Amino acid sequence: DGGITQSPKYLFRKEGQNVTLSCEQNLNHDAMYWYRQDPGQGLRLIYYSQIVNDFQKGDIAEGYSVSREKKESFPLTVTSAQKNPTAFYLCASSIDGASATNEKLFFGSGTQLSVL
Amino acid sequence: GENVEQHPSTLSVQEGDSAVIKCTYSDSASNYFPWYKQELGKRPQLIIDIRSNVGEKKDQRIAVTLNKTAKHFSLHITETQPEDSAVYFCAASTRGGADGLTFGKGTHLIIQP
Repeated sequence: DGGITQSPKYLFRKEGQNVTLSCEQNLNHDAMYWYRQDPGQGLRLIYYSQIVNDFQKGDIAEGYSVSREKKESFPLTVTSAQKNPTAFYLCASSIDGASATNEKLFFGSGTQLSVL
Repeated sequence: GENVEQHPSTLSVQEGDSAVIKCTYSDSASNYFPWYKQELGKRPQLIIDIRSNVGEKKDQRIAVTLNKTAKHFSLHITETQPEDSAVYFCAASTRGGADGLTFGKGTHLIIQP
């Protein structure tokens, strides 16, 4: 289960505040993903990155931003524009995001974000 | 975009019986269909997956079937055990999941002793 680490485990956001969720992997995976999990809603894709210095919007990117400056790191910023940020956020990685042959996702243990 | 529907949302079965969870998808270009298991308080983990060029795949007590014409796929668990209790998610994607997966809303499987 090791190899992909999310921090912090719990995070609280004040009104109008930006917060950043950390995701680090030492699996040497090319592709990384951010999903949002709400009760009864499954997992929804926020952003993904198939290679360093490149990333793409997922289904619910509004109010979020990401960067991929290093292969190992894919931080997610929840901006003040995200009006309903309370959710469980899961980061994931896969070996190769381009060839479509190494598709197994490895998930982190998640960050629970709540609004104060 | 892709839309994945999953049923039922909750499934309760007696230990030793079989459980079946069904999913439908909307995009006929989807070619990769994984199933993830999430135990309480833990991260999702891949338990089985199938590609569109295969109709059925089995791994011990777990099997997945795919009907491309009807655009639906199912997870079958036989001889259920207490450790099978979890939330199960189906997903679908084109390009083998490289562009991210579209997940169903999940099925809470409860194994009754």
